[in-house]
Amino acid sequence: AQSVTQLGSHVSVSEGALVLLRCNYSSSVPPYLFWYVQYPNQGLQLLLKYTTGATLVKGINGFEAEFKKSETSFHLTKPSAHMSDAAEYFCAVSEVMYSSASKIIFGSGTRLSIRP
Amino acid sequence: DTEVTQTPKHLVMGMTNKKSLKCEQHMGHRAMYWYKQKAKKPPELMFVYSYEKLSINESVPSRFSPECPNSSLLNLHLHALQPEDSALYLCASSPSGGADTGELFFGEGSRLTVL
Repeated sequence: AQSVTQLGSHVSVSEGALVLLRCNYSSSVPPYLFWYVQYPNQGLQLLLKYTTGATLVKGINGFEAEFKKSETSFHLTKPSAHMSDAAEYFCAVSEVMYSSASKIIFGSGTRLSIRP
Repeated sequence: DTEVTQTPKHLVMGMTNKKSLKCEQHMGHRAMYWYKQKAKKPPELMFVYSYEKLSINESVPSRFSPECPNSSLLNLHLHALQPEDSALYLCASSPSGGADTGELFFGEGSRLTVL
């Protein structure tokens, strides 16, 4: 079975600093990987996804992530944090089931706080 | 604006009540999902419908009963719930079953409180 592990339940950075949220995956087949963001009292919004092709994936709001097969990682980065980035971030892996809909497995989440 | 609409946004019910949560999408997606999310936890998959047929049931108690009347609508019928069932219930959709990458489009959720 596929799974993802997010290192660090809470990350705090200063405004303007680099954001790095860590995610490692476990999969016996090439995975589809995602980062979702959840603002308070809202649903989840897709930030970016890796399916095939280029290993550096760019998403919305200036975020990007790099798929590293050798390290089984898919870390999320942003060069300069903004106050509006404060939210909960979930890494996820898709278990593609060709006979039916895919099954998405979420990591435990990382809460990002931004210091003024 | 989310293209997956969930109603109601908030629901308070007693343990003997019967209520329903509703979800609607008009993106032509053929797979729809119910997730349950407790505070400070990730979403947990409950049910998946693919082409209007139940394809995944994650061993959810029978007091939760899903229904997919058509490809745009998804309901979750609630009966005899327990206080520990209080949570945010999220609906999501994806373009199709089959060779779908699994990208999900979420609604804003229905926050359920069971007294």
